[in-house]
Amino acid sequence: KAGVTQTPRYLIKTRGQQVTLSCSPISGHRSVSWYQQTPGQGLQFLFEYFSETQRNKGNFPGRFSGRQFSNSRSEMNVSTLELGDSALYLCASSRSAGGDTGELFFGEGSRLTVL
Amino acid sequence: AQSVSQHNHHVILSEAASLELGCNYSYGGTVNLFWYVQYPGQHLQLLLKYFSGDPLVKGIKGFEAEFIKSKFSFNLRKPSVQWSDTAEYFCAVNSGYQLIWGAGTKLIIKP
Repeated sequence: KAGVTQTPRYLIKTRGQQVTLSCSPISGHRSVSWYQQTPGQGLQFLFEYFSETQRNKGNFPGRFSGRQFSNSRSEMNVSTLELGDSALYLCASSRSAGGDTGELFFGEGSRLTVL
Repeated sequence: AQSVSQHNHHVILSEAASLELGCNYSYGGTVNLFWYVQYPGQHLQLLLKYFSGDPLVKGIKGFEAEFIKSKFSFNLRKPSVQWSDTAEYFCAVNSGYQLIWGAGTKLIIKP
């Protein structure tokens, strides 16, 4: 079956712009989690959505937001981009709420570069 | 706050050497434990997991991990590494509603 699909794979933005990233989970998976991965910080949890509801949120400013649609696809948005937002953004899906089983299936990520 | 510590950020080994990557967590209750691996240019994938039962769990590609509750540890091991094991390894702990991740260990295997 198809894996987790993230688009776009690469993008370059300038400071102050905003960006929207998309994630299509594995068919049948209702939970989508978002992570920021940087060389210095490792994997940082952004938020998790389950059945269109935000279930958990990490310690990121309000510029980072997300949503989930009825088909379980999810988007995350970062407004007023800063240089420090340059990172690989990973989406992970799971059948149940991710924290319950911890078994996540990851996409290949969207690599954002902010200039 | 709950935390997961991976002691080594970078490990360099020669092929056929034995591997042990450390992982310690701070939560004292019931936990589920995981190791994920990210090969160069690939997505993160589950290597192995522990929920309950035998504390020695076996995963893919010859990896295993041992859960030692008294030490709050879940170390990853492999008796003989291969060049293809070059990757970044992440330990993660589920203590309730969220996975807590370690910072990762970059493993480089010299051919």
